[in-house]
Amino acid sequence: EPEVTQTPSHQVTQMGQEVILRCVPISNHLYFYWYRQILGQKVEFLVSFYNNEISEKSEIFDDQFSVERPDGSNFTLKIRSTKLEDSAMYFCATQRLAGGWDTQYFGPGTRLTVL
Amino acid sequence: AQTVTQSQPEMSVQEAETVTLSCTYDTSESDYYLFWYKQPPSRQMILVIRQEAYKQQNATENRFSVNFQKAAKSFSLKISDSQLGDAAMYFCASKAGAGSYQLTFGKGTKLSVIP
Repeated sequence: EPEVTQTPSHQVTQMGQEVILRCVPISNHLYFYWYRQILGQKVEFLVSFYNNEISEKSEIFDDQFSVERPDGSNFTLKIRSTKLEDSAMYFCATQRLAGGWDTQYFGPGTRLTVL
Repeated sequence: AQTVTQSQPEMSVQEAETVTLSCTYDTSESDYYLFWYKQPPSRQMILVIRQEAYKQQNATENRFSVNFQKAAKSFSLKISDSQLGDAAMYFCASKAGAGSYQLTFGKGTKLSVIP
């Protein structure tokens, strides 16, 4: 069964550095999402992306964050200048169709540690 | 806005027994969907079962079933004939039916299965 993949599995960075987290969606999926989970807290929505545009974003997704799908396959999340509080698990999810009922498929996550 | 609450941080069940995980939610939407996701250790979240709010009949998927009480805004997961492979974090989540496709998660319940 096709799966969403994410790289790297673990990223350690210094505060203030830029990081790029990568996701390879399931091939025929059209809707893409990023979520994050700070240790011990809920999984939180960051952003949704469709047709090369952000369709929705949360308050967390400020100017330090950006997303793109540069080559039609990878879906990336960039954090321009990381802060200590950005340390979290970041999950990519993809969905084939529009509609609330369609399943979001999750990747295994990238653990980001900001020192 | 939607909120999801899971009041049981941890649960345990004997192998072959039945366990029920609790979830309550709140939403202003008339059209919404509810999900249970399972996250085994170091693995991605996978969908266990989903329920359309407009359907009165409780969803079932093999050993997994839900008790959906719309008026009480309750959505519990019952696992019958528990197996060792059921040990995981279980997340309850909600999603609006239209206009916003982000999932709103509870904090999760860690289920242990005792041989």
